Parts: sequence; C-alpha cells; structure tokens
Amino acid sequence: SAVISQKPSRDICQRGTSLTIQCQVDSQVTMMFWYRQQPGQSLTLIATANQGSEATYESGFVIDKFPISRPNLTFSTLTVSNMSPEDSSIYLCSVVDAVTDTQYFGPGTRLTVL
Amino acid sequence: AQKITQTQPGMFVQEKEAVTLDCTYDTSDQSYGLFWYKQPSSGEMIFLIYQGSYDEQNATEGRYSLNFQKARKSANLVISASQLGDSAMYFCAMNSNAGGTSYGKLTFGQGTILTVHP
Repeated sequence: SAVISQKPSRDICQRGTSLTIQCQVDSQVTMMFWYRQQPGQSLTLIATANQGSEATYESGFVIDKFPISRPNLTFSTLTVSNMSPEDSSIYLCSVVDAVTDTQYFGPGTRLTVL
Repeated sequence: AQKITQTQPGMFVQEKEAVTLDCTYDTSDQSYGLFWYKQPSSGEMIFLIYQGSYDEQNATEGRYSLNFQKARKSANLVISASQLGDSAMYFCAMNSNAGGTSYGKLTFGQGTILTVHP
C-alpha cells in the first residue's frame, strides 16, 4: 500500500493569511487528489492534480482560492488562500494504487482559522 | 452521478460482538469500486476494505468483511469480534473504474459513528 505523509499535521492561522499543505507519496503516482472535510461533515473532493498539467477542480472550488502544484510524480501542494473561519477543516490528500484500485489517504492536515 | 447512503448515524455494539454497518449506493456506471474507511478522532482516514463491482466473492480483510449485494446496490460492512479500538466514524465510499476523469474520485456517505461498549 502507498505510504502518504502530509505537512503540517495541524495549524492555527489568522484570517486573511494563506497556508500551503504538502503531500508526499513513497511511490510514483499519476494522479493525486485533494479532499476537504468540514467539521461534522463527510469528505468532498477539491481537485485532482496531474503531474505536468493544470489541476482539475470540482464544482465550487476555484484555483485562486486553492492553488495546487504537482512538480513531480511523488509530491503535491495545496494552498488555502485568503483564509476565513469557514476554511477550518481537515484537508487530506489521496492516491490510487493502480494495481489494486485501492485508494489511500494521507494523515490529514487539521486547519483552524481564527 | 453517484450517491452513497448511510442510514445509521450511530451504532452501538458490545465488545466481542459482531456489527453490521449499512451502505447503499446508486450509480449508472457498470464498473465501480466500493470502499470502507475508518476515521478515528485523530482525523486520519484508514482504509479497511475494497470491493470491485465485478468481484464475485465478498471481500474480506481480517475482522472486516463486505457484504456485497449488487442487485440491491448494497455494500454493508461487517465487523466481527468488535474491540474497543473499533470505536470511530466509518465511511462508505465509491468511485468509478470506468477510467477517464472520474477514476479516483470518491463519493462518500455521511458516515456512521460506531461505539463499542466494554
């Protein structure tokens, strides 16, 4: 199974600032996925990050708010820009094991915006 | 569009007993995958079990088994011999294996909170 790490594991940020979350995978993967889980809610896909191309965003999410980088096949970053308290969530990256079709998640980044 | 329904907001089970968590789904795809994840209070999403739509046998992983009934579009999780450490939120999810842009996009249910009593 893929081993995924995320940094930071948690952070408390001030309104109007930005935070960049890093996701590192121990193997090369074509696609990486970023999810958000708001308090008491289920997970929602933010975007799909492919190496060498622009990320694909889901309805309700825009690049200006959640810019994503994917510089190589094992790493991606998600930035939460101009944060407001409504951005307080757990942010998780995810990859698919192409051999087994199993999908794994990183440990998550717990973000609190004051 | 895909949809996952978990009708049990909360479930209680006695330690060492078995428990079934319900999940029904809706999709027009012919090829899809069904997943169960455990989320403890730490927030991480722990993969438990996977069932492909074309798999004829129900998936099993240790104490976890997936009761897959394709015609009824249900994918219930059975946890045998419950342990106190099983207390957590459990999510059912699905994706499409049809390839293209939908591959890897998971649709989640609302989750079921499982509490194991000693």
